[in-house]
This record gives sequence, structure tokens and C-alpha cells, in this order.
Amino acid sequence: RKEVEQDPGPFNVPEGATVAFNCTYSNSASQSFFWYRQDCRKEPKLLMSVYSSGNEDGRFTAQLNRASQYISLLIRDSKLSDSATYLCVVTRSGSARQLTFGSGTQLTVLP
Amino acid sequence: ETGVTQTPRHLVMGMTNKKSLKCEQHLGHNAMYWYKQSAKKPLELMFVYNFKEQTENNSVPSRFSPECPNSSHLFLHLHTLQPEDSALYLCASSQGRDLAGVQETQYFGPGTRLLVL
Repeated sequence: RKEVEQDPGPFNVPEGATVAFNCTYSNSASQSFFWYRQDCRKEPKLLMSVYSSGNEDGRFTAQLNRASQYISLLIRDSKLSDSATYLCVVTRSGSARQLTFGSGTQLTVLP
Repeated sequence: ETGVTQTPRHLVMGMTNKKSLKCEQHLGHNAMYWYKQSAKKPLELMFVYNFKEQTENNSVPSRFSPECPNSSHLFLHLHTLQPEDSALYLCASSQGRDLAGVQETQYFGPGTRLLVL
């Protein structure tokens, strides 16, 4: 089983749509969780951290369910500029610096 | 954005060549990382340096040799690579404080796209 699993997509949605990505992780001792965004042929960039209570940043909402070892990202009112690959990232147990990346979910927002 | 820079951006090398990748961060961070990103695979952590000391080596073959002369610079020395080593090599940095449970955001450089012939 992969340490971090994501649906690879691709997700093709029209502008203005709401889209949700899911991610599961296998290490129950993981402490920190993130969503990164990677544009085509560019480096990954942090989109948002994910907290147990859930958190929102504008059109983006992240949720964490530790019991189910499940993370989600919701994007509302999709923009063309949201087209990218979204990477689910967790830290390995005992290390704030060892990140384990999922393979990513590809999103294309269509005009 | 010039927080983390990498050179060269593209590199083609033969299996018998020796080359080095360079990473420099201008963020005042103390932790630096090398990652490998192959096509259709997730990013794989290769090495971690914290305050110039190597703290992680994730079973990377010895044909990859990292060097961290100071907290701002990180090198990856390459020799006798294989075609399957062709990938995007990403450098990242983070604050590097040793505080348990503190999330550290990692900032990535643009990467070096390596092709081994």
C-alpha cells in the first residue's frame, strides 16, 4: 500500500464548479498534513496546511479526519488559474522535515 | 521569485560523466533537501541537511553524493549515472528549527531537469 494515495484524475471541470480531492495516508503516526500545488513543469508550492479542525483559505477548504486517515481539499468557484496538479503531503512519524508526497491529482478547469 | 535557485536548469550527461547540481537559498533557512521527481511518480526525498549536517539519506545509491558547505548552499554530485536516473531534481529549504511538532513549510527551487544518455 502506498504511504499517500490520491486519485490521479484527471478532473476536468467547468469554470465556477466546485471540485473535491481526497487523499488517504497509511501512517497513523503522521503529524502534519499539507496540500501543495504543482503547475506543469514547475516546482511544488505550498497551497495550505491542513489542521484537525479544518481550515479555509478563500475558495479553498481543507479537512483532516485522523480516525479515517483521510484528507480532503475542496475548491469552490473554480478559476482557469486553478488548473494544476494538487499534491497531498504528510510528514513521517517523528520528523517534521520528512515529507511523503502523493502522486498528485490533476485538475483542468475549462472555460 | 528567487528564494531558492538551482543551476543548471537542464542537464544532459552521459553515463560516464561527472557533473554537479547546485542549489542556493536566500531565505535564511537552516534545512535543505534534495528530491527526485520521475515521470508519473511522486516526489521522493533523497537527502536532508539540517544546520549543515546530513540527517537523512533515504537509501540513495552512492552515485549520488550530496555536499552542504553552509546553510545556504547544497550540491548534488553525480557520477556514473544510469538512464533511469533521468528525472527532475528539486532542491528545497525550510527553517530547520528543532522544535517537536512544529510544521515547517518547505520552499522548492525550480529544479534541474536531468537526462542521462
